[in-house]
Amino acid sequence: ETGVTQTPRHLVMGMTNKKSLKCEQHLGHNAMYWYKQSAKKPLELMFVYSLEERVENNSVPSRFSPECPNSSHLFLHLHTLQPEDSALYLCASSQDLGLAGFQETQYFGPGTRLLVL
Amino acid sequence: QQPVQSPQAVILREGEDAVINCSSSKALYSVHWYRQKHGEAPVFLMILLKGGEQKGHEKISASFNEKKQQSSLYLTASQLSYSGTYFCGTEGDSWGKLQFGAGTQVVVTP
Repeated sequence: ETGVTQTPRHLVMGMTNKKSLKCEQHLGHNAMYWYKQSAKKPLELMFVYSLEERVENNSVPSRFSPECPNSSHLFLHLHTLQPEDSALYLCASSQDLGLAGFQETQYFGPGTRLLVL
Repeated sequence: QQPVQSPQAVILREGEDAVINCSSSKALYSVHWYRQKHGEAPVFLMILLKGGEQKGHEKISASFNEKKQQSSLYLTASQLSYSGTYFCGTEGDSWGKLQFGAGTQVVVTP
């Protein structure tokens, strides 16, 4: 148990559906992250939030829309996804963003396994 | 630029040793190692900082060669619990951002 929870753990959706992934951290951290994990590929950073402000949008398609209403919660809103978006979506948090040369440890949630049909 | 991990997979018998490498084409400030078991969250193992010492976690240790921009993770006298996928995350010159390797799958058999 790392203190970061994600719901749902599994999600199947059609390409025309709208759904949301939820992440909650109980660690008092100020920074939160969304990653995409596809089989045999490196973790891909999608979004970074610090104190509820988005500080990184890593060229992610607009069909993925993040929301960070407070420092404990992070959402990923999904709409009109494609089959290639099927993956494990991981949320992580860290105490702060850190500076170059002093990267904070990131704590991951268990992920949401997404299948787009 | 994402780091390159090798090997992609390794199968060990309990008690054997293994080395996992993580290489980057860019100068690094730090390297982070994580382990992920199937269906679970990646779990932080250790950070190696530029100019820092070799670190250890149980019988898992790691080194960081700044000149070669490379880190190695050493699994010594492996245990069944060491099975999982090991990821390195590297920090270059961008704050708040780790670049992760594709992972090395480790299977330890009895």
